[in-house]
Amino acid sequence: KAGVTQTPRYLIKTRGQQVTLSCSPISGHRSVSWYQQTPGQGLQFLFEYFSETQRNKGNFPGRFSGRQFSNSRSEMNVSTLELGDSALYLCASSSLGGSSYNEQFFGPGTRLTVL
Amino acid sequence: GNSVTQMEGPVTLSEEAFLTINCTYTATGYPSLFWYVQYPGEGLQLLLKATKADDKGSNKGFEATYRKETTSFHLEKGSVQVSDSAVYFCALKGGSGNTGKLIFGQGTTLQVKP
Repeated sequence: KAGVTQTPRYLIKTRGQQVTLSCSPISGHRSVSWYQQTPGQGLQFLFEYFSETQRNKGNFPGRFSGRQFSNSRSEMNVSTLELGDSALYLCASSSLGGSSYNEQFFGPGTRLTVL
Repeated sequence: GNSVTQMEGPVTLSEEAFLTINCTYTATGYPSLFWYVQYPGEGLQLLLKATKADDKGSNKGFEATYRKETTSFHLEKGSVQVSDSAVYFCALKGGSGNTGKLIFGQGTTLQVKP
């Protein structure tokens, strides 16, 4: 099975712009979660989607949004970019949502740099 | 709320040395516990997991035991290799009021010298 794929791998934007990141989960996985990784804050949960519905949301401003399509692919969008949004954005998929022990499989991440 | 605390790094060891990375957690209910590893420029890979008290997760020579009485999940390896150099994250998932998201520790950088 192919792993979780994320596109693009690298992105450079300027303050005020918006950006869309894409994640394709492992085939058959219906749950997709997004995390932000920064040196200062570590790994922080953004949101989780399951069957096209947002099931869980972290403590991020409304500039961060996401969606999931019927084929389980997910996108996250960040509007009005700020310098502090520079981070590695990681997507993870799992086979079932809600069960605490289901493994989450991570993609390689999208490195976003905001200038 | 639920949280995970890891020992600060970096941890620098010589090849074949014994490794321990401490991890303690705060959670209500019965979370599952995980260790993830991140190699430079890559995403996270699941190293091992334990889903209930006294479970021992193991993989590639690494192991960790879920200790509910001490709320700990310390990572150990008997003999590290240079290729084990990476950042290690302890995480929990589940427990009361926390179903879908992983909560991570700050990560511990391991450097193994030949």
